[in-house]
This record gives sequence, structure tokens and C-alpha cells, in this order.
Amino acid sequence: AQTVTQSQPEMSVQEAETVTLSCTYDTSESNYYLFWYKQPPSRQMILVIRQEAYKQQNATENRFSVNFQKAAKSFSLKISDSQLGDTAMYFCAFMKIGTNAGKSTFGDGTTLTVKP
Amino acid sequence: GAVVSQHPSWVICKSGTSVKIECRSLDFQATTMFWYRQFPKQSLMLMATSNEGSKATYEQGVEKDKFLINHASLTLSTLTVTSAHPEDSSFYICSARDMVTGGLNGYTFGSGTRLTVV
Repeated sequence: AQTVTQSQPEMSVQEAETVTLSCTYDTSESNYYLFWYKQPPSRQMILVIRQEAYKQQNATENRFSVNFQKAAKSFSLKISDSQLGDTAMYFCAFMKIGTNAGKSTFGDGTTLTVKP
Repeated sequence: GAVVSQHPSWVICKSGTSVKIECRSLDFQATTMFWYRQFPKQSLMLMATSNEGSKATYEQGVEKDKFLINHASLTLSTLTVTSAHPEDSSFYICSARDMVTGGLNGYTFGSGTRLTVV
């Protein structure tokens, strides 16, 4: 079974600053994907970024980037130039691929507040 | 982009009645859909995996007779909360796995249903 741990229940950052959200996971699988999802106050889950485990290069999506350390089983999310609209709960998620693939395991979430 | 429509967005029902929640993929086909329950400021708790044309797979501790799931087509899954009680009040979210991408682009989530049982 997989576990995903987000050790920061709450974080805050000043607008335009940079913030990093931590995520660690535990798995015996070698083939998997990792995701960061955002859940703003509307509660609509939105995919922020994804990382294929077989790729060494860290994924980036505009102001969002990850630091993927496979050996350490770490997958942190960096948000640059934080905006007020980034205020949300962020979930790290693990998804196994291959046989019996599909179910995602979510961390407990980090509530991020961007302050003006 | 991929869109999942979830209805209703909120519902209030009387204790003992049943409520049906629909999850529909609008622009893609989904062989698999997932149903989650979420309490305020907590993570998503997977309730069951819904597979088109077959019985749903329920997570441990989830009463399958209470939370009926039907996935009759490649674009529609329904969750029926039977004989609802106040402790069933929660936020329910569905997500759908694109049959073509296999979910490798991430799953698309519905907007959620807030159920209040009075």
C-alpha cells in the first residue's frame, strides 16, 4: 500500500513571494505518477502539475515547479510569484500505473494562504 | 479540456430518504470513476471505484448497501445514498479516468455535492 505525507497543515506566503510545499510518499512500486492538485474555496479540484516517476527532469508549469527526488521519495511543489488566487488547499497524490492501476492516494493536504 | 459535471451541487434531504448524485463526463469516455467523501479541511477519502458495466469496488468500511453505485454507461456514474442519516452529511466528489489517457494526465473531478441530512 502507498502512503502520502504532507507535513505542513497550513502555510502562508506574501503575494509575489515564493513558497514550497512538502510531500513525501512511501511505495514499493517503480512505475507511478505523482500529482499536485489544488482545491480553492469553491472546492473544485484542479490539477496543478504531474510528474512521471521514470523521468528525472522536474516538471514545470508556468509558476509551478516540482522538486522530485525519487530515491528520497520526495515530491515538493514550488510556487513562484505567489498570487492571491493561489490561496487554496493543495493535495499531493500518488497513482500507480500498470496492473491494477488507477486509484490515487492523497495526502492530508496543505492549506496555503497568500497574503496581500 | 476535460469536464466532469456533477449534480446536484448541494442537496438537503430528510433523514430516512434517499439521494442520488450524478457524475457525468461531458467530453470524454470514462471506464472508471471514483467516488470520494471529504470532511471540512480534510483529505479526500476514497469510497468506491466505479467501473462501467460491472459492480463497484468498495473501500474497507464503506457500506455498499448504503452507498449504491451504478456505472451504466461510459459517461455516467451515480451514487445513491440510501436511508440517509445526519452522519451521512458531507461533501461528495467524483472523479473520472479518461479511457484514452488512462488517467496519466491526472483525473478530472466533478465540482462536488454538499449533502445535508436533517
